[in-house]
Amino acid sequence: KAGVTQTPRYLIKTRGQQVTLSCSPISGHRSVSWYQQTPGQGLQFLFEYFSETQRNKGNFPGRFSGRQFSNSRSEMNVSTLELGDSALYLCASSLTGVTNQPQHFGDGTRLSIL
Amino acid sequence: AQKITQTQPGMFVQEKEAVTLDCTYDTSDPSYGLFWYKQPSSGEMIFLIYQGSYDQQNATEGRYSLNFQKARKSANLVISASQLGDSAMYFCAMRGGNNAGNMLTFGGGTRLMVKP
Repeated sequence: KAGVTQTPRYLIKTRGQQVTLSCSPISGHRSVSWYQQTPGQGLQFLFEYFSETQRNKGNFPGRFSGRQFSNSRSEMNVSTLELGDSALYLCASSLTGVTNQPQHFGDGTRLSIL
Repeated sequence: AQKITQTQPGMFVQEKEAVTLDCTYDTSDPSYGLFWYKQPSSGEMIFLIYQGSYDQQNATEGRYSLNFQKARKSANLVISASQLGDSAMYFCAMRGGNNAGNMLTFGGGTRLMVKP
């Protein structure tokens, strides 16, 4: 069974640009969550999508947005990039997102802002 | 608000010995789940073990076991017979009740280094 696939693995952008990251969940998983990991702030929740609807959102500015398609694939977009957006962005999927279901993570997209 | 605290930034353990990684949590939800993840230097997060707040027994998965002390709000990870491949960052995480959606709150992590 294929795991969570994130593309691209590495990305280099400059300030002011925008970026789109992609996540394909494990087959059958309908919940997709996104996290940002930085050395200073650790792992922080961005948002969660379930059945094409944003179900939960973390404390990030509106420059961070996402969506989910009918096949459960998800994209995350960051506009007007800032130096502080440099981070590892992790996508995780689970069946429906109830308490006892583990989230399975992808390998992440490492975003560097120059 | 939920909070996870991991007080050990880094730890060494001798190969083949057991090691305990500490995790304490704080939540007002009566129903919650506790997870441990391993993150090697390559970056991927690997799910290790889960403990539910209503589970009567401590969770075990192979060499991993979770020492769950609900009254103390602690959920320590025990790794038996450490291997060199266990060297990684370890994160404790919590998912709260229904109001929390599917959000995981993570601790700051513990870097485990296994010595040959």
